[in-house]
Amino acid sequence: DADVTQTPRNRITKTGKRIMLECSQTKGHDRMYWYRQDPGLGLRLIYYSFDVKDINKGEISDGYSVSRQAQAKFSLSLESAIPNQTALYFCATSDWDLGETQYFGPGTRLLVL
Amino acid sequence: AQSVTQLDSQVPVFEEAPVELRCNYSSSVSVYLFWYVQYPNQGLQLLLKYLSGSTLVKGINGFEAEFNKSQTSFHLRKPSVHISDTAEYFCAVSVRGNEKLTFGTGTRLTIIP
Repeated sequence: DADVTQTPRNRITKTGKRIMLECSQTKGHDRMYWYRQDPGLGLRLIYYSFDVKDINKGEISDGYSVSRQAQAKFSLSLESAIPNQTALYFCATSDWDLGETQYFGPGTRLLVL
Repeated sequence: AQSVTQLDSQVPVFEEAPVELRCNYSSSVSVYLFWYVQYPNQGLQLLLKYLSGSTLVKGINGFEAEFNKSQTSFHLRKPSVHISDTAEYFCAVSVRGNEKLTFGTGTRLTIIP
């Protein structure tokens, strides 16, 4: 079984709809991240959480919110989706150590019409 | 704040030829450096990382990278590529004391049979 899972893998939604992307991990890591990937722009950090009670905005948090329900679960919400939020979204986890490797989920491909 | 520049967005290489993917970073403090690979329709996985010590770092699948502090570079190399190396490669940097990763825009490596 995969260590980092994301649901759904693909989603089509309409402008103005609320949508939630979910991430679960079995690696026992404290740190979790949400990124979006756009062609030619690489990965940009949306939100990150260093433990259940610690949530921080990343580079591009506007229009997004997150919830850390447990050590293993970190959800990303788009409160009112817009077309320029069409992207590939990745969840990642890492342990607490300095320079620790991040482990990525398979991604969620989101299309906002 | 730190930043990463990947100078080539696409690199075509003949099979069994050598390849170098370039990465330059900018930071006013000590950094950790990473190369991640994204195979088609998959999440990212770590190829190698530099934390400290020897400036030549060896990774998986025959890749290596050299940290050059004076040139602020961390170029990725492989002496002989295979079709299976077709992927997108991302250079990333984090700063000691702040474990967020900043990614470059990626280099798409295409292997020509």
